[in-house]
Amino acid sequence: GNSVTQMEGPVTLSEEAFLTINCTYTATGYPSLFWYVQYPGEGLQLLLKATKADDKGSNKGFEATYRKETTSFHLEKGSVQVSDSAVYFCALILGAQKLVFGQGTRLTINP
Amino acid sequence: DAGVIQSPRHEVTEMGQEVTLRCKPISGHDYLFWYRQTMMRGLELLIYFNNNVPIDDSGMPEDRFSAKMPNASFSTLKIQPSEPRDSAVYFCASSLQGEDTQYFGPGTRLTVL
Repeated sequence: GNSVTQMEGPVTLSEEAFLTINCTYTATGYPSLFWYVQYPGEGLQLLLKATKADDKGSNKGFEATYRKETTSFHLEKGSVQVSDSAVYFCALILGAQKLVFGQGTRLTINP
Repeated sequence: DAGVIQSPRHEVTEMGQEVTLRCKPISGHDYLFWYRQTMMRGLELLIYFNNNVPIDDSGMPEDRFSAKMPNASFSTLKIQPSEPRDSAVYFCASSLQGEDTQYFGPGTRLTVL
């Protein structure tokens, strides 16, 4: 079946640190890949997405590249801010409209 | 534009009571999804609709759960009778035909005592 595995949290960093959150997937075809972010007390928001191999999604300083050879979609940001503190979800969609989510990674940025 | 609207935002009830959660999708969206989020199980898709018709309800945990979409602008998720293990945050999301991005509501936090 299709599945998403992302790095265990929680992750705690200092402001301006470099961020990587790992995400790998298993899929029977070629999915579209997503990063969603959930700020405290809110629903999920789309952060970025990529629909085919080697595509790079980017938004708000975050980036992720669709790597078919390693079945990965790691999230990166060069300099995090306190306002980036949230839970980040990697997800895929394949064929039907069903999103498959990873377990989420809680990120806390300290000033 | 208004996003996905859910009500209530918080619900506290006692075991055995009926609970009804409500969702208004983004106008014009063809798909509507109900998710449940818990610490133990993460985000789970319960059911989704296309043009008001249920397409896949394989994620609905048991017969105590039911969902309806009587028209394009309204859906309900009902739990009867509720149990403490149903305590979770329930999200509604919607999307447009031909697009894979889903837009989530703020969620309903359900506590069953």
